[in-house]
Amino acid sequence: AQSVSQHNHHVILSEAASLELGCNYSYGGTVNLFWYVQYPGQHLQLLLKYFSGDPLVKGIKGFEAEFIKSKFSFNLRKPSVQWSDTAEYFCAVRLIFGKGTRLHILP
Amino acid sequence: SAVISQKPSRDICQRGTSLTIQCQVDSQVTMMFWYRQQPGQSLTLIATANQGSEATYESGFVIDKFPISRPNLTFSTLTVSNMSPEDSSIYLCSATTSGTGEQYFGPGTRLTVT
Repeated sequence: AQSVSQHNHHVILSEAASLELGCNYSYGGTVNLFWYVQYPGQHLQLLLKYFSGDPLVKGIKGFEAEFIKSKFSFNLRKPSVQWSDTAEYFCAVRLIFGKGTRLHILP
Repeated sequence: SAVISQKPSRDICQRGTSLTIQCQVDSQVTMMFWYRQQPGQSLTLIATANQGSEATYESGFVIDKFPISRPNLTFSTLTVSNMSPEDSSIYLCSATTSGTGEQYFGPGTRLTVT
């Protein structure tokens, strides 16, 4: 069955800490991978995407993600988080979404 | 890119009634979709809204319960019929401008059924 699994449902970090959110998928077709973010009171918006090529992709606001085909993973990273990164993050393979990770950054 | 609006933004409805949610895109898009997001759950795809033809429903969703229209390339409606409290959820409209699956999302409609 096609699915996306996000390992962390709720993450709390202090400002300047490093972030890694896990995402694993099970999908039989062409793997187009996405991370979306929903800031409080705002729409879901695209953070970054991977279709092909360099498996390390960079998105907005200093986020990056690495596609590891052998591990069926697409983890999201940021070396130093800010309070404004407080949001909910969703990993997706095409139209299939994970359950989301609520990230709370302490000032 | 595409900017998507939805109406209403929220509603409280009685059991057994129906609600129609409208989705408007500011530019022509290739595909439009409807999702449901229940509290603490992921976004679940309800259906793909096809322009000029019947929507394509995902497993577990049927046309009688969630009739969808898409009369043109920029507008779609989702009706939640014969509502029950289990239909309380956020309903999201999204659209793509390519075949990659990259989506633009509306603000959502928060539905509460009492």
